[in-house]
Amino acid sequence: DVKVTQSSRYLVKRTGEKVFLECVQDMDHENMFWYRQDPGLGLRLIYFSYDVKMKEKGDIPEGYSVSREKKERFSLILESASTSQTSMYLCASSSRDRGTDTQYFGPGTRLTVL
Amino acid sequence: GQNIDQPTEMTATEGAIVQINCTYQTSGFNGLFWYQQHAGEAPTFLSYNVLDGLEEKGRFSSFLSRSKGYSYLLLKELQMKDSASYLCAPVSGAGSYQLTFGKGTKLSVIP
Repeated sequence: DVKVTQSSRYLVKRTGEKVFLECVQDMDHENMFWYRQDPGLGLRLIYFSYDVKMKEKGDIPEGYSVSREKKERFSLILESASTSQTSMYLCASSSRDRGTDTQYFGPGTRLTVL
Repeated sequence: GQNIDQPTEMTATEGAIVQINCTYQTSGFNGLFWYQQHAGEAPTFLSYNVLDGLEEKGRFSSFLSRSKGYSYLLLKELQMKDSASYLCAPVSGAGSYQLTFGKGTKLSVIP
């Protein structure tokens, strides 16, 4: 079974803090994604990565950066957290194989910025 | 860009059949996923359609019409545990593995 884990289920930070959200997958997937999910807005893509040290902006990258130093790990960084970044953050991974691009999600991190 | 439209909420009775529709406009269509998401949990994969027609998988079936930009998820013999949000997600761009998710349909199953 594919397993995607995220470092925290719940996180509370203060405005201006630097925040790291970690995601690890154990299926040797090439592709990894970070989303945020907000009521009424659905899942929105922040950043994704097709390979180690490679990153691409998604639909809402402002205020975020990412790091992919190893294939299994994809980190989301909030350089200076703001209250508008209070949200549920979901990491996902998928294989590059043709035919299906099924994304497998981690359990999510509910981040509150005070 | 992509436009994805699905109903915000639906209610159905235990044991009944419900159809959740999704219409989309996307450039470079490359298939469509349906995901299920229970409250407070991560989305889980339900189905993937790339060709026109109906794909059946137990109590759940998914239909796709590429020419109409239309898909539906059919849930039969509804159970209380089917109460969840259902997310429609077209894949855009040949060679691209990005999904764009609809806002989801919250299904409530009542006794």
